Amino acid sequence: LAKTTQPISMDSYEGQEVNITCSHNNIATNDYITWYQQFPSQGPRFIIQGYKTKVTNEVASLFIPADRKSSTLSLPRVSLSDTAVYYCLVGNAGGTSYGKLTFGQGTILTVHP
Amino acid sequence: EPEVTQTPSHQVTQMGQEVILRCVPISNHLYFYWYRQILGQKVEFLVSFYNNEISEKSEIFDDQFSVERPDGSNFTLKIRSTKLEDSAMYFCASSVGTSGNEQFFGPGTRLTVL
Repeated sequence: LAKTTQPISMDSYEGQEVNITCSHNNIATNDYITWYQQFPSQGPRFIIQGYKTKVTNEVASLFIPADRKSSTLSLPRVSLSDTAVYYCLVGNAGGTSYGKLTFGQGTILTVHP
Repeated sequence: EPEVTQTPSHQVTQMGQEVILRCVPISNHLYFYWYRQILGQKVEFLVSFYNNEISEKSEIFDDQFSVERPDGSNFTLKIRSTKLEDSAMYFCASSVGTSGNEQFFGPGTRLTVL
């Protein structure tokens, strides 16, 4: 399972764009990159998943360079409610063939007024 | 929007007692999971379940733990002879499949072992 490295914490202000980068140098050919969000005392929530280039949905964008050794989650115009822990997961469609998700420590994003 | 539900939201028990945590996965999902998160620590995988049997389990999921799908809607985690270190948030999750499918997590059950 590819190891991921992401910043422990980040601070931002309302209305700003936030980019959280995750390193995964030993990503395998069939691995996907998946991001989850977790609010305090709640279960993780899927944000976005991608394999290469760029993926965009109504919540975020995911940028993956050609070598796939890193990825960047981009949150446009954050609000206070985006304060949460963000997890980068790398594996076969987010986990092993049986769906197991392996979470790291994640990035604590704090959005200030 | 369909969601995973869990009961109870908070369970307090005495050390050595048995607890059953209950989950109702999303109705058309086929894969079910339990995770736990000790306060201040990362989310840890416990077990995955498909077609009425365990697909994979972690080292944490020893003989103290068991899972069951007693009927068409519920998915339960039983913890026997609870220990202080079992105190954690327990999350149930479900997914349609495993390949390219997101997992939907429930709100969790906070288990406190005294």
